[in-house]
Amino acid sequence: GENVEQHPSTLSVQEGDSAVIKCTYSDSASNYFPWYKQELGKGPQLIIDIRSNVGEKKDQRIAVTLNKTAKHFSLHITETQPEDSAVYFCAASKGGSYIPTFGRGTSLIVHP
Amino acid sequence: GAGVSQSPSNKVTEKGKDVELRCDPISGHTALYWYRQRLGQGLEFLIYFQGNSAPDKSGLPSDRFSAERTGESVSTLTIQRTQQEDSAVYLCASSHSGTGRNEQYFGPGTRLTVT
Repeated sequence: GENVEQHPSTLSVQEGDSAVIKCTYSDSASNYFPWYKQELGKGPQLIIDIRSNVGEKKDQRIAVTLNKTAKHFSLHITETQPEDSAVYFCAASKGGSYIPTFGRGTSLIVHP
Repeated sequence: GAGVSQSPSNKVTEKGKDVELRCDPISGHTALYWYRQRLGQGLEFLIYFQGNSAPDKSGLPSDRFSAERTGESVSTLTIQRTQQEDSAVYLCASSHSGTGRNEQYFGPGTRLTVT
């Protein structure tokens, strides 16, 4: 089955810096890669996703890149703000199987 | 519109008791998922319902765990003879997977504590 590795497990940055979280996947058939943000005491919320027919997608301060050959994808947050502090999860899934495999999460701490 | 709702938000139970957790998905979402999240850990898949198809139960950790879904609406996750290792947040999510869009929308979770 699919295996998703996520790094780092903890990331601490100063407000205004950029943050990058990386994930790798094992199943080359995976074609959908969402990123979720989970704030304390809440369920995960989809913040951005990318499908295998594109290499990059951007939404304001967040962007995701996908390298299908290397089987890795990354989340980039620019101009970080304290409210970006949360746990971020990556996931991978493929057509015909709608059960995504999640990474173990990255705890992002943005210091004011 | 309304999102995914779960109840109760918190549940404390004694070891050996049965518990039932409820999930109300977003109206029109054909797919429903249950996950377990232990403290500081990732999301552990438990079970997946898609329309009227047989559920995918491959993630259920033991036969003490079961889940039901009525049509494309509410789902209940039942844990029998609870153990302390069952303590976790149980998350429910729904999606439009029937249309090929598989973004998941999560509920706030039920925090289960087994004493």
